[in-house]
Amino acid sequence: AQKITQTQPGMFVQEKEAVTLDCTYDTSDPSYGLFWYKQPSSGEMIFLIYQGSYDQQNATEGRYSLNFQKARKSANLVISASQLGDSAMYFCAAFTSYGKLTFGQGTILTVHP
Amino acid sequence: GAGVSQSPRYKVAKRGQDVALRCDPISGHVSLFWYQQALGQGPEFLTYFQNEAQLDKSGLPSDRFFAERPEGSVSTLKIQRTQQEDSAVYLCASSITTGGSSPLHFGNGTRLTVT
Repeated sequence: AQKITQTQPGMFVQEKEAVTLDCTYDTSDPSYGLFWYKQPSSGEMIFLIYQGSYDQQNATEGRYSLNFQKARKSANLVISASQLGDSAMYFCAAFTSYGKLTFGQGTILTVHP
Repeated sequence: GAGVSQSPRYKVAKRGQDVALRCDPISGHVSLFWYQQALGQGPEFLTYFQNEAQLDKSGLPSDRFFAERPEGSVSTLKIQRTQQEDSAVYLCASSITTGGSSPLHFGNGTRLTVT
């Protein structure tokens, strides 16, 4: 079984600053993948970034990067140059062999002007 | 279609009524998932289809929950004799592969309120 832990219920950041959202995972699978999703108040789940367990480099997608530390089983999301539109709930998730995602409890990010 | 479509967007049911929630996945997507999301929580897995085959239904909370995908495209999640604890957002997601390296694409969900 997989478990995803997001220890920060809420985070605040000033506009244009960088913020790190924490995620640790627990899996016995040798091959796994990690995802981050954004869920605005409208409710849609928006895919942000993916990291495979065998990827040598940390994933980056525009202002999003994933700080992947395999030995520590952490996959923190870094958002650079925060924007007001980044205010949302953020979920870390891991997949099993057929693609089923297990989600963490989420972190609410609030960006202040 | 361009994305995963779910209907209805909102559903209010009286306790004891049956409801049916529909999901239209992205055309050609092999994998289809249903998740249940309580307010302020992360989505919880309900069931998984690979084409028309339901390969995992371990997350369905009771035998009142039933899902089908008879032709490998549209899926329906049915809840019989709804209870107040069934109130949640029900999310459908699809993926082009079965391996898990491609992201799940989610619909906007159906918010079910049982009164």
